[in-house]
Amino acid sequence: DTGVSQDPRHKITKRGQNVTFRCDPISEHNRLYWYRQTLGQGPEFLTYFQNEAQLEKSRLLSDRFSAERPKGSFSTLEIQRTEQGDSAMYLCASSLVEGSYGYTFGSGTRLTVV
Amino acid sequence: KNEVEQSPQNLTAQEGEFITINCSYSVGISALHWLQQHPGGGIVSLFMLSSGKKKHGRLIATINIQEKHSSLHITASHPRDSAVYICAVPGSGGSQGNLIFGKGTKLSVKP
Repeated sequence: DTGVSQDPRHKITKRGQNVTFRCDPISEHNRLYWYRQTLGQGPEFLTYFQNEAQLEKSRLLSDRFSAERPKGSFSTLEIQRTEQGDSAMYLCASSLVEGSYGYTFGSGTRLTVV
Repeated sequence: KNEVEQSPQNLTAQEGEFITINCSYSVGISALHWLQQHPGGGIVSLFMLSSGKKKHGRLIATINIQEKHSSLHITASHPRDSAVYICAVPGSGGSQGNLIFGKGTKLSVKP
């Protein structure tokens, strides 16, 4: 297990299309987090899961965004009807419960909506 | 909601210099994180600390819970230390359910 993996690394899509990103956390980690980062800003929290349960969602997560973690392992983040404002780096992180031992981040998926 | 402020926003140093990056937050926390982000986006967790001081190689992180302030120091800086350094604290009532991040300090170390 080499860490948190995100796929794809880069995605360019046309406005109005749907996109889906995948995150594979460290296998022993119960918690999985999604963040969004725009240029020059720190990451912003979107949502997190403990096992398969989605425990918290940010107001940033509009109706066009949905995240799942069906078996408590990998997670997907889908954006429907993409808009140019969705262009950002989407970061995934995982941790043991309560992040007691710190977080491990993936390399991110950079989304460009044209 | 916790507010996180980092200073400076940008920092240029000569190789070998001692670097200090500061982080202040508004609400009491259980732990604070220092993270490093290289161009290309990947984030590496450097420290998680709840009191006192931690050291790892040339990196030292300190926290003053009463003052709601933390510092990240880099001794004998090197060009490979060039990155964005980000401070993060728990967001929801002190729980670790999510993190609130500062905007980061962009460090550039010149040879």
